[in-house]
Amino acid sequence: AQTVTQSQPEMSVQEAETVTLSCTYDTSESDYYLFWYKQPPSRQMILVIRQEAYKQQNATENRFSVNFQKAAKSFSLKISDSQLGDAAMYFCAYRNSGNTPLVFGKGTRLSVIA
Amino acid sequence: GAVVSQHPSRVICKSGTSVKIECRSLDFQATTMFWYRQFPKQSLMLMATSNEGSKATYEQGVEKDKFLINHASLTLSTLTVTSAHPEDSSFYICSALNLNEKLFFGSGTQLSVL
Repeated sequence: AQTVTQSQPEMSVQEAETVTLSCTYDTSESDYYLFWYKQPPSRQMILVIRQEAYKQQNATENRFSVNFQKAAKSFSLKISDSQLGDAAMYFCAYRNSGNTPLVFGKGTRLSVIA
Repeated sequence: GAVVSQHPSRVICKSGTSVKIECRSLDFQATTMFWYRQFPKQSLMLMATSNEGSKATYEQGVEKDKFLINHASLTLSTLTVTSAHPEDSSFYICSALNLNEKLFFGSGTQLSVL
């Protein structure tokens, strides 16, 4: 079974600074997807960024980018120019191709300090 | 973007009663939906996979007779918590898979059993 590990239960960053959240995963599959989700206090799951495993290029979405290291099974999220609204729980998630569910890490709580 | 409606958003019930939670894909057909459970300050744990027109597949440790899942149409899956007890109090969230294998989340249901 696939597993996702987030080793940082909590992180903090100064407003306007950059922070990196770590994620590693374990799988024997070659075709899969990786995601970062944001969960604010409302608990709505918000997709931050998605990466297809077959793509070598790291995904980016505005201030959010990933460092995808397939051989190392690592998928870190970098948030640049951090804003107060970025404060939330961040979950790293894995999904095989096909009609398969997401497998989540335990999450990292990010605080942004004004 | 695709919308998944989950209802109710919050429910309080007495111990021993049953509660039904609905998950609807509003603008796409979802042959597969997933139900997750999230305890406070924890990650999302997969409960079951709901496939339209067939029986749900439950994760190990999830009682299928307690958490009844019905996926009778391509846009609706329901989760019924039968004979609810205080330990069933949790945040339940559904997600639906569209034909392009993209996943969309409902807004979740907070169940409180008194």
